[in-house]
Amino acid sequence: GENVEQHPSTLSVQEGDSAVIKCTYSDSASNYFPWYKQELGKRPQLIIDIRSNVGEKKDQRIAVTLNKTAKHFSLHITETQPEDSAVYFCAATVNQAGTALIFGKGTTLSVSS
Amino acid sequence: DTGVSQDPRHKITKRGQNVTFRCDPISEHNRLYWYRQTLGQGPEFLTYFQNEAQLEKSRLLSDRFSAERPKGSFSTLEIQRTEQGDSAMYLCASRTLAGANTGELFFGEGSRLTVL
Repeated sequence: GENVEQHPSTLSVQEGDSAVIKCTYSDSASNYFPWYKQELGKRPQLIIDIRSNVGEKKDQRIAVTLNKTAKHFSLHITETQPEDSAVYFCAATVNQAGTALIFGKGTTLSVSS
Repeated sequence: DTGVSQDPRHKITKRGQNVTFRCDPISEHNRLYWYRQTLGQGPEFLTYFQNEAQLEKSRLLSDRFSAERPKGSFSTLEIQRTEQGDSAMYLCASRTLAGANTGELFFGEGSRLTVL
């Protein structure tokens, strides 16, 4: 089955800096890679996702890159703001099959002003 | 539709007791998932349903855990003979397989279980 590794587990940046979180996955059949943000005491919510037919996707200050050959994908947040502080989870699955998303262990991002 | 709802939000029980959690997914979503999350960890997959059929169970899922989705709508997760290690947040999520954005999982607020 799929296994997702996520690094780093904690990340502290100054407001305005960039933050990068990296994940690797094991199942070469996986073709859908979402990122979820979970604020303290709240439910995880999707912030961006990428499918295996593209290598990069951007949405304002957030971007995700995918390297299928190396089986890794990354989340990039530019111009970080204090409200970006949260736990971020990457995940992977074979999307069309509707099988379960397998999540990484999470990265706690702290943005200080 | 107000999203995925879970009940109860908090449950405190004594070791050895049985507990049951309920999840009401978004109405048009045919896929329903149960995850468990402990502090500092990502959601850990437990099981999922397509309509009323339970399609997959995690190898990590003890036989004390059972889930149902009898009419393809709401689902229940029962834990029998609870142990302290069962203390966690139990998250339910749903998704649709139709449409352009079929991948997104919509999570409920979770049911927090504390086993004393």
